[in-house]
Amino acid sequence: NAGVTQTPKFQVLKTGQSMTLQCAQDMNHNSMYWYRQDPGMGLRLIYYSASEGTTDKGEVPNGYNVSRLNKREFSLRLESAAPSQTSVYFCASRGRTTGELFFGEGSRLTVL
Amino acid sequence: GENVEQHPSTLSVQEGDSAVIKCTYSDSASNYFPWYKQELGKRPQLIIDIRSNVGEKKDQRIAVTLNKTAKHFSLHITETQPEDSAVYFCAASSGYSTLTFGKGTMLLVSP
Repeated sequence: NAGVTQTPKFQVLKTGQSMTLQCAQDMNHNSMYWYRQDPGMGLRLIYYSASEGTTDKGEVPNGYNVSRLNKREFSLRLESAAPSQTSVYFCASRGRTTGELFFGEGSRLTVL
Repeated sequence: GENVEQHPSTLSVQEGDSAVIKCTYSDSASNYFPWYKQELGKRPQLIIDIRSNVGEKKDQRIAVTLNKTAKHFSLHITETQPEDSAVYFCAASSGYSTLTFGKGTMLLVSP
């Protein structure tokens, strides 16, 4: 039981490059989320998926796209990376039984 | 939407002292209030949560109190230990809607 797994753990991009962050959970949760964490800013929601087949914007969606590939997987795509997207990205899933949010280990992205 | 304010942003205490972190929320429909602990370089993890039908919840050295009228809730850590040093986040949500997080409190416990 791995919980929430996200890849890659580290990535360096040049401005304008694209990349996809992958996330998978094995807890049979319906809801999945992508957050970014910046110093002094807390955890800000980028996009979320309340159930398979649905996605919605969060607080800071500009510059990102998401895909809920199936119930297990939820990916985050940066089409044209900008230095302002340098951050630590966390994927999370949430069960309805307790409401607890389970986070992945995080992906540290640097855009030069 | 929901807005969660968290104070203080940093807190330094001596080992054995108590630590209190306070949060306020804006949406009166919010009814779920978790607290997450994030150690340096690690993922946030739930340490305690409270729902709006109770005013206080305790788990060993940590406790959370909720004042629905004033729309604020607090985390209390007693007999702090160096391993309590971390960033703590409060959050709020209505039912199973998305969680809104506070900006975090860095707690440093000195031996």
